[in-house]
Amino acid sequence: GAVVSQHPSWVICKSGTSVKIECRSLDFQATTMFWYRQFPKQSLMLMATSNEGSKATYEQGVEKDKFLINHASLTLSTLTVTSAHPEDSSFYICSVFSGREADTQYFGPGTRLTVL
Amino acid sequence: DQQVKQNSPSLSVQEGRISILNCDYTNSMFDYFLWYKKYPAEGPTFLISISSIKDKNEDGRFTVFLNKSAKHLSLHIVPSQPGDSAVYFCAASGSWAGNNRKLIWGLGTSLAVNP
Repeated sequence: GAVVSQHPSWVICKSGTSVKIECRSLDFQATTMFWYRQFPKQSLMLMATSNEGSKATYEQGVEKDKFLINHASLTLSTLTVTSAHPEDSSFYICSVFSGREADTQYFGPGTRLTVL
Repeated sequence: DQQVKQNSPSLSVQEGRISILNCDYTNSMFDYFLWYKKYPAEGPTFLISISSIKDKNEDGRFTVFLNKSAKHLSLHIVPSQPGDSAVYFCAASGSWAGNNRKLIWGLGTSLAVNP
């Protein structure tokens, strides 16, 4: 498998502020990372695919200017929620694609964002 | 259009018995299937996968069966344990151009294993 960490594990912020969430691949270099969002009692929703050294690929309906993704190194991808609003409150999860086991992705523990 | 379907939102089984979770898919281009387990407020944990060239893969108490002609796969957990209580997600992927290794997810089945 792969070990993935996320920081912070939870964050509370005021409406209008920006929040950065970090995703780290701890035991291998990940050229591809994914960002998901999960609403209560719902499935995972892929937001974007993050590729090291290039622009992220966003899924349809996801605002790229609101959810800024930076994959600056092979072990770190960041998701910045800009000008956060209460409807952005959610559980954000990243995953890494190891490349060693077909399309298996390994997930971080998630970040709970609450926007007041 | 839900390409991966888990038609049972919940399942309850007795400890020690077999749990069978089902998943159906519609896209014949899928060639890799995965099962994940998820606890509330945690990221999904990879359980087991199967390539489309196989019809069965086993790992300890977990076995995944794939029926390509029926576009159906199932996860068997035997014996079931209370710690298996979680939401189980079925996911699929394919290597067609532009897919970029994305996983397509089902909506999950909540499994409760009763002592």
